[in-house]
Amino acid sequence: NAGVTQTPKFRVLKTGQSMTLLCAQDMNHEYMYWYRQDPGMGLRLIHYSVGEGTTAKGEVPDGYNVSRLKKQNFLLGLESAAPSQTSVYFCASSFSRQDSTDTQYFGPGTRLTVL
Amino acid sequence: AQSVTQLGSHVSVSEGALVLLRCNYSSSVPPYLFWYVQYPNQGLQLLLKYTSAATLVKGINGFEAEFKKSETSFHLTKPSAHMSDAAEYFCAVSVYTGFQKLVFGTGTRLLVSP
Repeated sequence: NAGVTQTPKFRVLKTGQSMTLLCAQDMNHEYMYWYRQDPGMGLRLIHYSVGEGTTAKGEVPDGYNVSRLKKQNFLLGLESAAPSQTSVYFCASSFSRQDSTDTQYFGPGTRLTVL
Repeated sequence: AQSVTQLGSHVSVSEGALVLLRCNYSSSVPPYLFWYVQYPNQGLQLLLKYTSAATLVKGINGFEAEFKKSETSFHLTKPSAHMSDAAEYFCAVSVYTGFQKLVFGTGTRLLVSP
């Protein structure tokens, strides 16, 4: 099993450009998440999905959109990148256990720089 | 609202010394708590989690954590540090509100010197 994979690993954008980050998992997990990690701030949830075809906003959703057309994939889009979106982006997935004890499995991250 | 506080953004120890990373939580309901480790240029990996089955939780790589309700703490320890333990460690509290939300602390970077 590859677990959770993310592409690309690195990307540099200019302000106003758009891009899509791809997350894929092969564990048949229902839930998927996108986080951003900034120095001194831990990880913050951008968007999440509780199943194929469903998405919802997390705590910092502005400037991002997501789609979950296939169960194994979760895409994060930036329509018009801003320097404030310079960050490391992590995708995670978990089983559909409906409680708070589930383990989230993380991808290796995408380092995005917006100039 | 649930939250966690990690005291000390950096902790330095010598190889072979005790590792103690502090985490205090705030929760209005019985908490479920996690410790994750992030090695350089990698994603987060679960070290251990508290799910109310036992207050002393053993994880991977010789780490353990003890849940202390009276102190609202879930500190991470390891008796003897190895160079390979150098990484960033995150404490998180889990909340279920239709989905599992992990609220992370700001992280503690562990530095291990020879």
